[in-house]
Amino acid sequence: DIQMTQSPSSLSASVGDRVTITCRASQSISSYLNWYQQKPGKAPNLLIYAASSLQSGIPSRFSGSGSGTDFTLTISSLQPEDCAIYYCQQSYSTPYTFGQGTKLEIK
Amino acid sequence: EVQLVESGGGLVQPGGSLRLSCAASGFTFSSYWMHWVRQAPGKGLVWVAGINSDGSSTRYADSVKGRFTVSRDNAKNTLHLQMNSLRAEDTAVYYCSRGYNWKFDYWGQGTLVTVSS
Repeated sequence: DIQMTQSPSSLSASVGDRVTITCRASQSISSYLNWYQQKPGKAPNLLIYAASSLQSGIPSRFSGSGSGTDFTLTISSLQPEDCAIYYCQQSYSTPYTFGQGTKLEIK
Repeated sequence: EVQLVESGGGLVQPGGSLRLSCAASGFTFSSYWMHWVRQAPGKGLVWVAGINSDGSSTRYADSVKGRFTVSRDNAKNTLHLQMNSLRAEDTAVYYCSRGYNWKFDYWGQGTLVTVSS
């Protein structure tokens, strides 16, 4: 199975900050990498697919980059509503594994 | 509008069975892969199973292989997950999700399965 490792596990940032979350795959997954946002008590919501493509309806402050084994989710200017847990997921091969999540809090 | 609505969750004893359903609407159900993803209380997301558009191909996580069966009824726009030999570690919220171009683009609200005596 492909293991996905996110860092950091949690972070706290201020409104307006630039925030970066990284995700590393245990083997090359090309660009088969998705990012999801999950708020408490809600289902996950797709933000970024194919490593860098913005899902329809998602604010442009969210962006993704990377290929192979190393990937990044960036929020260019943090907003209060971005308080959530963020997960990466590889869709290169089954089982479609997720990272352990990054909890983002607002200072 | 795409909608996925799960049902069938509840409390079941260890060793018991449960059948989850996911009613789909707002898209051509028969054209998409569908998946089940679960989340234990306070834990992360775990992919459980997937099924292709016509039901001829299925995939499972090792942790549920041989115990869970994913199926679909394209005439009724419904996805199912038959769960047998349930264990305490199967306790989770179960989400159904639409698979499209290697992304999970729509998710249901989830249904809670609790395995306890």
